[in-house]
Amino acid sequence: NAGVTQTPKFQVLKTGQSMTLQCAQDMNHEYMSWYRQDPGMGLRLIHYSVGAGITDQGEVPNGYNVSRSTTEDFPLRLLSAAPSQTSVYFCASSVTGAFRYGYTFGSGTRLTVV
Amino acid sequence: AQKITQTQPGMFVQEKEAVTLDCTYDTSDPSYGLFWYKQPSSGEMIFLIYQGSYDQQNATEGRYSLNFQKARKSANLVISASQLGDSAMYFCAMREYNAGNNRKLIWGLGTSLAVNP
Repeated sequence: NAGVTQTPKFQVLKTGQSMTLQCAQDMNHEYMSWYRQDPGMGLRLIHYSVGAGITDQGEVPNGYNVSRSTTEDFPLRLLSAAPSQTSVYFCASSVTGAFRYGYTFGSGTRLTVV
Repeated sequence: AQKITQTQPGMFVQEKEAVTLDCTYDTSDPSYGLFWYKQPSSGEMIFLIYQGSYDQQNATEGRYSLNFQKARKSANLVISASQLGDSAMYFCAMREYNAGNNRKLIWGLGTSLAVNP
């Protein structure tokens, strides 16, 4: 069971470039989300989805887009990268009601914007 | 206002000893869950243990237990018989179940644990 797979693991972008961070899960979880992790700020929710075709904004959505065309995939798009988006990005998924199993996280994408 | 507070930025423990990592939380939602995650130097987030606000007993998972004191709003993680592989960052997080559809986890800033041989 692969769990949550994120690609790439590392990425360097120039200011103004766009890119897509990929997230795929094979656990049939209906809920998927993106967090960013910054020193001194903890993890913050960017966007989330409660099922295919349904997405919504989290706490820090500006500069990011998401879509959810299938249950398995939840890509995060950076529209025009800025140095403030330098961070570690995590995709996480969960199944409704099974709180005791926690949220399953991907291994993260370390993004540097120069 | 910070909802999850982890007051110990760094902790040291000798191998095979027990260690307690502190977490206090603030919420007015009567229905909530508390999570602990481990983040080793490799960077991934590993789920350790969960405690629901209505659970009558403290959660346990192997060497991990959660000392849940609801009136004091604390949810401390206890690691028994520490191992070198326990060296990592540990995060406490909370989900408020009546806070809407986003199922957001609210995170503390973490405690760095070093296990000494």
